[in-house]
Amino acid sequence: ETGVTQSPTHLIKTRGQQVTLRCSSQSGHNTVSWYQQALGQGPQFIFQYYREEENGRGNFPPRFSGLQFPNYSSELNVNALELDDSALYLCASSLGQGLTYEQYFGPGTRLTVT
Amino acid sequence: QQPVQSPQAVILREGEDAVINCSSSKALYSVHWYRQKHGEAPVFLMILLKGGEQKGHDKISASFNEKKQQSSLYLTASQLSYSGTYFCGTEVGDDKIIFGKGTRLHILP
Repeated sequence: ETGVTQSPTHLIKTRGQQVTLRCSSQSGHNTVSWYQQALGQGPQFIFQYYREEENGRGNFPPRFSGLQFPNYSSELNVNALELDDSALYLCASSLGQGLTYEQYFGPGTRLTVT
Repeated sequence: QQPVQSPQAVILREGEDAVINCSSSKALYSVHWYRQKHGEAPVFLMILLKGGEQKGHDKISASFNEKKQQSSLYLTASQLSYSGTYFCGTEVGDDKIIFGKGTRLHILP
């Protein structure tokens, strides 16, 4: 059974640029959630995708957007990068929509915005 | 509203017990507990749903007091492998989970 994978591992971008982060969910999981984790803080919920539809969103501006593909993998896109976007971005997959299922986290993508 | 975790940090000797608390100002639908080791992804511990319940496996258990809008995580006879940061996440029925700032647990041999 393959776990949750994310790419790239690390990324450095300049303020104003755009970035795409990728996540492959665990086999059999149809739901992917994305989180932003600043240093020393808990993960902050960005949004969740269930069967290619957004299903729940945290307090993030519209420049944070996502996609889920038919194979349940997912992308997180961030436009007009700001310095405060520097963080670890985690994706987590689960067996069903909503938040009553165990979530399996990937290793994360470390984004640095300069 | 972000749940409040206490204590912020705790140091124990191997074999000692610990309790980590999570409080919310809103009525809760579910509480989620995760442990994260330095440089690693969070790992699921357990979910407790409204209705008030207690769960546990091995020497880690948790309770959920719906009326008090609180949950507690109990670590019994702690092992070195229990070291890490523990996060509670709360959900109020709107499909959004909000994590607390975490409790850092360090176990000494």
